[in-house]
Amino acid sequence: DQQVKQNSPSLSVQEGRISILNCDYTNSMFDYFLWYKKYPAEGPTFLISISSIKDKNEDGRFTVFLNKSAKHLSLHIVPSQPGDSAVYFCAAKGGTGSARQLTFGSGTQLTVLP
Amino acid sequence: ETGVTQTPRHLVMGMTNKKSLKCEQHLGHNAMYWYKQSAKKPLELMFVYNFKEQTENNSVPSRFSPECPNSSHLFLHLHTLQPEDSALYLCASSPTESSYEQYFGPGTRLTVT
Repeated sequence: DQQVKQNSPSLSVQEGRISILNCDYTNSMFDYFLWYKKYPAEGPTFLISISSIKDKNEDGRFTVFLNKSAKHLSLHIVPSQPGDSAVYFCAAKGGTGSARQLTFGSGTQLTVLP
Repeated sequence: ETGVTQTPRHLVMGMTNKKSLKCEQHLGHNAMYWYKQSAKKPLELMFVYNFKEQTENNSVPSRFSPECPNSSHLFLHLHTLQPEDSALYLCASSPTESSYEQYFGPGTRLTVT
């Protein structure tokens, strides 16, 4: 049973437009959420994170939104650039029990079209 | 070298072979991890070491055997693998096991024939 779900395996967006990647989780013990980006032949690299005490965190073109009541988070990229084309993984972690290890979603392949 | 390195980057092995994957981190971290990534699936945590002690074995078959001789090095010894073990094997590190952010190596693409 997947505790972190990314229901869209792929997303295509025009350059300059907004990309919105979604992630749902089921474990209420998660209190920290991360997004990783992965290019082919490279390992995942950390992109942005958010603590459960916040509902928004912004870093340049990247913003993560957290809706705790819906157990949903999203990553907004605006404006999208061709170099953003990659697989994006959502991940979550809590402090104890079943949440104490980082749990990943299955990823969303983002393609930004020039 | 900086960050997390993994060797080899690609490995093809038969089901009767024995091979080892190597991971080295240059970040001064104390926790190291092995993950398996199969196509279209989430990263699956395999093993966790914290200060050289194994703290997590996520029901991994015994044909995978980890070794952590010190906080900077992590090995994954492979023997009598199955074709379904073909995947990308990723190593990661973090300051400690309780840290939230992990830093990944580039992975070893393993093909079992």
